[in-house]
Amino acid sequence: DAGVIQSPRHEVTEMGQEVTLRCKPISGHDYLFWYRQTMMRGLELLIYFNNNVPIDDSGMPEDRFSAKMPNASFSTLKIQPSEPRDSAVYFCASSLPMTSTEAFFGQGTRLTVV
Amino acid sequence: AQSVTQPDIHITVSEGASLELRCNYSYGATPYLFWYVQSPGQGLQLLLKYFSGDTLVQGIKGFEAEFKRSQSSFNLRKPSVHWSDAAEYFCAVGEAVDRGSTLGRLYFGRGTQLTVWP
Repeated sequence: DAGVIQSPRHEVTEMGQEVTLRCKPISGHDYLFWYRQTMMRGLELLIYFNNNVPIDDSGMPEDRFSAKMPNASFSTLKIQPSEPRDSAVYFCASSLPMTSTEAFFGQGTRLTVV
Repeated sequence: AQSVTQPDIHITVSEGASLELRCNYSYGATPYLFWYVQSPGQGLQLLLKYFSGDTLVQGIKGFEAEFKRSQSSFNLRKPSVHWSDAAEYFCAVGEAVDRGSTLGRLYFGRGTQLTVWP
C-alpha cells in the first residue's frame, strides 16, 4: 500500500481565498484523523472520522474550517476564507478498525496564507 | 484531561553518546503510548509504541522506551546516537475507543529537537 496520501504537499494562497486539502487513507482503514502542526500550538487534532462519520470535531478552530469524508477512500479539509494564522502543516492519518494500536500519517500539506 | 509533557525542547549530543528523551503523560486509564520522529519537511514516523505487556519496548532504529506507571513516564532511549538521528521527536498518548480495542485520537507533546554533533 502507498500509505496515506495527501495533496497538495505545498499550498500558498492569498488571504480570503478558499483552500481545500485532500487525503486518501490507507485502504481498509476506518478511522481518519486531521491534525494541524504549528509553532505556537504544536500538533493538535482537528477532527476525526469513523466509517466516514465525524466523531469528534471539537478541535476545529472555527466555522471557517470544515471537513468531509464522502467515502471510505477520500477526505477533504476546507478553509474558507483563509487567514494568515491558518498557516501550518496539516497532517492526515488513518488507522485500522478493531485491535489497531497505530495511526499512519501522511507526509502533510504545508499551507502558507499570505 | 489527557496531556503529554516533553520537558526538553532541545537536546544536543555527540555522535556515539547515549540518549534519553523524557516524556510524562496524564491519562485517566491505561494509556497507549507512542514515540514518533519527524525529519525536516517529512511526516511522522512511528518509532515504537506501548499498548500492554512488557514495559520495556523496542522500536526501530535501535530505540527503546520504558513505561513507568508510577512515574507516568515513557522515556525514549538509545545507547549510541548516529548523526542520522537528528530530528524532532514527539511523545504521544492515544485515546482508546471501541471499548479499548481501537486507537482513537492522539495527544502529542510539544516535541524535543535533537541535534547530533559529529
